[in-house]
Amino acid sequence: AQTVTQSQPEMSVQEAETVTLSCTYDTSENNYYLFWYKQPPSRQMILVIRQEAYKQQNATENRFSVNFQKAAKSFSLKISDSQLGDTAMYFCALSSGTYKYIFGTGTRLKVLA
Amino acid sequence: DAMVIQNPRYQVTQFGKPVTLSCSQTLNHNVMYWYQQKSSQAPKLLFHYYDKDFNNEADTPDNFQSRRPNTSFCFLDIRSPGLGDAAMYLCATSRDQGYPETQYFGPGTRLLVL
Repeated sequence: AQTVTQSQPEMSVQEAETVTLSCTYDTSENNYYLFWYKQPPSRQMILVIRQEAYKQQNATENRFSVNFQKAAKSFSLKISDSQLGDTAMYFCALSSGTYKYIFGTGTRLKVLA
Repeated sequence: DAMVIQNPRYQVTQFGKPVTLSCSQTLNHNVMYWYQQKSSQAPKLLFHYYDKDFNNEADTPDNFQSRRPNTSFCFLDIRSPGLGDAAMYLCATSRDQGYPETQYFGPGTRLLVL
């Protein structure tokens, strides 16, 4: 069975600080993608970053970067220089072996002024 | 910009009154998905279309139906909405069904059932 686990239901961070959101997953597939999506309150789910499993290099998008530990099946998201607009629910998701996404339960991040 | 569009953004309906939500995409993607998302939960897949092939999830209630008249449009029909169907409905697309794939989401339609 494929699973995605986000163990931090809520987190907060001061503006301009760095925060790391955790995600662990399980799959028996060799070819898979991992994603972080951001969903601000009552707004669109936006793709933040994607990691292809076959790539050893960690994905980076501006202030967002991941720490992809394939052997440990860990996929954490680091947000540097946090901004008020980063306040949102963050979902980790896995695409492998099936058309379905496997979503984690989400981490609600609040950036404090 | 290529995108996924959902209309309306907010929909109010009465208990038992049929309602249709719409989704369109300019990405020319083969696959379109409908998700139901309740407050602070992960989205739950209801069904998806691969081109014209309809794929229903096993636990999707019969009350939910979908139509895809062409590549660009997909509709979600709720035949007799109950109070428990109040939720955010998300449409998403992906280029293909070969896995893994990246899904792109629309802004969602928030459904309120009175």
